[in-house]
Amino acid sequence: DAEITQSPRHKITETGRQVTLACHQTWNHNNMFWYRQDLGHGLRLIHYSYGVQDTNKGEVSDGYSVSRSNTEDLPLTLESAASSQTSVYFCASSAAGNTEAFFGQGTRLTVV
Amino acid sequence: QQQVKQSPQSLIVQKGGISIINCAYENTAFDYFPWYQQFPGKGPALLIAIRPDVSEKKEGRFTISFNKSAKQFSLHIMDSQPGDSATYFCAASNGEAGTALIFGKGTTLSVSS
Repeated sequence: DAEITQSPRHKITETGRQVTLACHQTWNHNNMFWYRQDLGHGLRLIHYSYGVQDTNKGEVSDGYSVSRSNTEDLPLTLESAASSQTSVYFCASSAAGNTEAFFGQGTRLTVV
Repeated sequence: QQQVKQSPQSLIVQKGGISIINCAYENTAFDYFPWYQQFPGKGPALLIAIRPDVSEKKEGRFTISFNKSAKQFSLHIMDSQPGDSATYFCAASNGEAGTALIFGKGTTLSVSS
């Protein structure tokens, strides 16, 4: 069965370190997204991609970057981790803009 | 500027009752309005979605009501069950332009038995 997987599921890192969260989907979807979920803020869009070599900034993109070198993967990089980036991160993919988006299980990141 | 406003933040309903969650949007270009359900420790999953050419969509105990002129849509859960206890998110996007989903802040629903 097709799926979307995130790794790691949990990570603790120190302030100032570079961190990369992985997202891999086997749906062959063109669209991929990264959201962060925080209490009281819901799901906020970080970055998204509509295909290979395409990346776009979302609502809360400062301090994050993504790259799309193939259809299956959209890794999210925190260039210099900050305590404000402690959150649960969700990756999602969809076939088109107005079709179902499938979410991964999430990565809980703690920056100490 | 919050593009999708969701209320209430939390909701407690007795088993068998009706749960109602409301959302309002600002961008008239939005043309796709899904509701996602999330259980603790899991990613959100699509529950039901509607497009603005219809005013209501029903799937089992779940109904979306859509009011285009008021720029509002709501989720009704009939005969609420303890298994419905979860966080619910409304969302919106401009599918024609292929924009990403913009989510409301979520509603935590607890159904008491």
